[in-house]
Amino acid sequence: RKEVEQDPGPFNVPEGATVAFNCTYSNSASQSFFWYRQDCRKEPKLLMSVYSSGNEDGRFTAQLNRASQYISLLIRDSKLSDSATYLCVVGTSGNTPLVFGKGTRLSVIA
Amino acid sequence: GAVVSQHPSRVICKSGTSVKIECRSLDFQATTMFWYRQFPKQSLMLMATSNEGSKATYEQGVEKDKFLINHASLTLSTLTVTSAHPEDSSFYICSARPERDKQETQYFGPGTRLLVL
Repeated sequence: RKEVEQDPGPFNVPEGATVAFNCTYSNSASQSFFWYRQDCRKEPKLLMSVYSSGNEDGRFTAQLNRASQYISLLIRDSKLSDSATYLCVVGTSGNTPLVFGKGTRLSVIA
Repeated sequence: GAVVSQHPSRVICKSGTSVKIECRSLDFQATTMFWYRQFPKQSLMLMATSNEGSKATYEQGVEKDKFLINHASLTLSTLTVTSAHPEDSSFYICSARPERDKQETQYFGPGTRLLVL
């Protein structure tokens, strides 16, 4: 079983749509959770951290369910500029590297 | 946010030459830096974890004698691809974790695109 699993997509949605991505992780000892965004031929950039209480940043909402080992990202009112690959990322503790999912590709269409 | 730079951004070299890539954390100290490789349309692959003042930890299948890592200070790690071959052509990305960050966020450099002819 992969450590972090995501639906690779692609998700093709019209502008203004709401889209949700899901991710599951296998290591119950995981302590930190993130969503990163990667544009084509660019480096990943931190989109937001994910907290147990859920958190929102503008049009983006992230939620964590530790019992189900499940993370989600909701994007409301999609923009063309949201087109990218969204990486679900999980960390344990200490100096161990973060574990990246393979990413979910989103295309927002005019 | 934290800024990480990489140099060079793009390299074209002949087969058999060595290429050195620098990764710097510009506004924070990083005890730990990470080196990744990404082939076209594929996911990030962790190559090694670079620890300041000690030997790097390599992932399975990554040759430590081919990919030399040096982390001589809290703001600089270097990756040297020795005797590069066309199959080493890839997008090499480093990331750094701020010492002060309790949540273990990693910040990425802009990447180095290597093409070996």
